[in-house]
Amino acid sequence: DAGVTQSPTHLIKTRGQHVTLRCSPISGHKSVSWYQQVLGQGPQFIFQYYEKEERGRGNFPDRFSARQFPNYSSELNVNALLLGDSALYLCASSSEAGDNTGELFFGEGSRLTVL
Amino acid sequence: GQNIDQPTEMTATEGAIVQINCTYQTSGFNGLFWYQQHAGEAPTFLSYNVLDGLEEKGRFSSFLSRSKGYSYLLLKELQMKDSASYLCAVRPNSGYALNFGKGTSLLVTP
Repeated sequence: DAGVTQSPTHLIKTRGQHVTLRCSPISGHKSVSWYQQVLGQGPQFIFQYYEKEERGRGNFPDRFSARQFPNYSSELNVNALLLGDSALYLCASSSEAGDNTGELFFGEGSRLTVL
Repeated sequence: GQNIDQPTEMTATEGAIVQINCTYQTSGFNGLFWYQQHAGEAPTFLSYNVLDGLEEKGRFSSFLSRSKGYSYLLLKELQMKDSASYLCAVRPNSGYALNFGKGTSLLVTP
């Protein structure tokens, strides 16, 4: 079975541009979460979606938005990119919204560099 | 607020035992997780504790004391492949997100 897949794996943007990152969860998983990981730090929670509804949002500006599609895949959008948005963006899927052990399965991430 | 502390770096010898500590101060608690992350790779799940005590899984064990806001990950019979970053994460009651610490970079030497 395929794990969590993310695209693109690497991308370079310039300040002010917009980026869309994509994620396909493990088959059968209905929850998708997005995390930002800056080099040398732990992942920081951005969003969680379950059954196409936003269930949680971290402390990120409105430039960050996301959505989940009927097939449970998800997109993370970031507008007006800043240098500080350079990071590894991780998508994680889980089978439930978080009421059980909540084990997250992470994708390999999309590494964004903003110049 | 959320505050999760763990040592930045640790070094241990192949075959030895190492304990990675994590202390937390969070507004709610609904479970503590440990993840392993090799350089350039995705984090992978190691353990989950929601009740006090020790959970053992092969060479890895994790301990939790909720009253002390304290957990540790114990790695036995260290192997070179255990060189990685170990992330402590807490799930607060009020949501479904995991709050991660900064990670402990473990180097296993011959």
